[in-house]
Amino acid sequence: DAKTTQPNSMESNEEEPVHLPCNHSTISGTDYIHWYRQLPSQGPEYVIHGLTSNVNNRMASLAIAEDRKSSTLILHRATLRDAAVYYCILRLMNYGGSQGNLIFGKGTKLSVKP
Amino acid sequence: DGGITQSPKYLFRKEGQNVTLSCEQNLNHDAMYWYRQDPGQGLRLIYYSQIVNDFQKGDIAEGYSVSREKKESFPLTVTSAQKNPTAFYLCASSVGIADITDTQYFGPGTRLTVL
Repeated sequence: DAKTTQPNSMESNEEEPVHLPCNHSTISGTDYIHWYRQLPSQGPEYVIHGLTSNVNNRMASLAIAEDRKSSTLILHRATLRDAAVYYCILRLMNYGGSQGNLIFGKGTKLSVKP
Repeated sequence: DGGITQSPKYLFRKEGQNVTLSCEQNLNHDAMYWYRQDPGQGLRLIYYSQIVNDFQKGDIAEGYSVSREKKESFPLTVTSAQKNPTAFYLCASSVGIADITDTQYFGPGTRLTVL
């Protein structure tokens, strides 16, 4: 299985940008990079996804390295409501016996200080 | 509002009893999923269904069963064969898993405690 590596935790100050890194050195050419986040005691929610180019949406930006072996989720101005666990996930092209799965690791727990 | 509902939010059962967790979606999605989450861990896939009357085992299906008789409903039964059933259970749905970019939408979860 293609794996991702993320720091266990990060801290940020409110209203400052946050850069959440993810390493995925075994990524295949057609694997998409997805980010989800999970607020305390809630289900995960989709944040953003990309393949090769950098992506922006209303929640965040995704910067993908040229060799695609790493990516960074960027929250432009962190708020207290952004405190959550952020998961970086590879959406596999060849799912094998578990077609369509999102494989969640432990993610990065982001704390935001006022 | 469209979305996924799971009930109840908290559930307590005695050891040895089967228990069924409800999951309903009104998003008209074909695919539905059940995940389990233990404290401090990521999500692990239990079962998924791509279409009505069809479902597949995920990574940790032992001790669980599902049915998919209606498009909008995907109930999960935690049987007495599940050795450690206390966990946070999450249901999700997506338009269809054939699209690699497909987004999964999650319900609020059911926290099951077996006493």
